[in-house]
Amino acid sequence: EVQLVESGGGLIQPGDSLRLSCAVSGFPVNNYFMTWVRQAPGKGLGWVSLIYTSGNTYYADSVKGRFTISRDYSKNTLYLQMNSLRAEDTAIYYCARGRTGNYYDYWGQGTLVTVSS
Amino acid sequence: QSALTQPPSASGSPGQSVTISCTGTSSDVGNYNYVSWYQHHPGKAPKLMIYEVTKRPSGVPDRFSGSKSGNTASLTVSGLQAEDEADYYCSSFAGSGSFVFGTGTKVTVL
Repeated sequence: EVQLVESGGGLIQPGDSLRLSCAVSGFPVNNYFMTWVRQAPGKGLGWVSLIYTSGNTYYADSVKGRFTISRDYSKNTLYLQMNSLRAEDTAIYYCARGRTGNYYDYWGQGTLVTVSS
Repeated sequence: QSALTQPPSASGSPGQSVTISCTGTSSDVGNYNYVSWYQHHPGKAPKLMIYEVTKRPSGVPDRFSGSKSGNTASLTVSGLQAEDEADYYCSSFAGSGSFVFGTGTKVTVL
């Protein structure tokens, strides 16, 4: 059974760093492209970042240079390293599995990140 | 990377149909047949409803259908049921490894 479970969220001060994890089961994390999507309070979904099977990574302009997506095959886990956090990064962060055809077929339940002093 | 435009809300009585539009540009919706739709109940994982504009994953009722014309994609829910009440988001591949989501539509079953 495919499962994605995010963790690592919490309350953090502006300027600090946080690493989110997405524990994957049911498939090898290296065999699919994976993405992070976030939803700020009262707002819609917003694409954040993705990593292809090749290892190539891409980022939304709003997080480029501050966030880094990575994966660990031995732990079958996807990560999102978030540095220089801002209040506007406050959101629920979801990880999802990507498929050829550029869509996401499995999602996690999300982890809440709150950036506030 | 501007969000795709969706109406904030849509509603219908049980058994009726509702159609949600998703307007992008010639750089995303208009340039790729990679539009997908997701149903989202707050606090839960989003669920894939339509992919590649018109395709339906197994397990999704055939009451859900998708289409596209130019820079605008649409999701139609026919025979509305109470459990269809949720937020719906479109998404499009936008080239160079990027994606864009819609602003979201809250569907209410009256």
